[in-house]
Amino acid sequence: GDSVTQMEGPVTLSEEAFLTINCTYTATGYPSLFWYVQYPGEGLQLLLKATKADDKGSNKGFEATYRKETTSFHLEKGSVQVSDSAVYFCALRGTSYDKVIFGPGTSLSVIP
Amino acid sequence: EPEVTQTPSHQVTQMGQEVILRCVPISNHLYFYWYRQILGQKVEFLVSFYNNEISEKSEIFDDQFSVERPDGSNFTLKIRSTKLEDSAMYFCASSARPRSNQPQHFGDGTRLSIL
Repeated sequence: GDSVTQMEGPVTLSEEAFLTINCTYTATGYPSLFWYVQYPGEGLQLLLKATKADDKGSNKGFEATYRKETTSFHLEKGSVQVSDSAVYFCALRGTSYDKVIFGPGTSLSVIP
Repeated sequence: EPEVTQTPSHQVTQMGQEVILRCVPISNHLYFYWYRQILGQKVEFLVSFYNNEISEKSEIFDDQFSVERPDGSNFTLKIRSTKLEDSAMYFCASSARPRSNQPQHFGDGTRLSIL
């Protein structure tokens, strides 16, 4: 079945460092791809999305590009802040079913 | 920005008791979902609901679980006889359209602790 794989965490970075969280997926057809973020003690917030190949989603300095050829949707940010400390979930939503399939999540800690 | 709200934020219940988790989806959304996240594990789909019917459910969603839209605004998840392994964070979500590029919007979750 369809699935999402993310790099293992936890990831610890210094403030202003460059962030990459790798995400690859397995799916039939053309799923929509999402990154959700979960700040400590809070729920799941949509961070960004991309709905077709080569689309770039962006929000709050984060970016991810839908790469059909490598089935990837890596999350990047040029300069992280302490406030970016959270768990990041890569996810997909297929065209033949209604649920969202989540990756395992990657915990990010940014230290001053 | 409209949001999905869930109550309570934390529910503690004795094993074997019934529990009802409540959600108010975004007002113009018609598709509703429940997910759960056992501590340290993946977010897992439980059930989707549209037009007063379950449209899809996972193998987790067995006879102990039920969902209901009792009025025009609430969407509930009931667990009839809770087990220790039901302890998890439960997320409600809603969407304007199914099976599309429109995202599902999630609430802040209810942490369910079974003693």
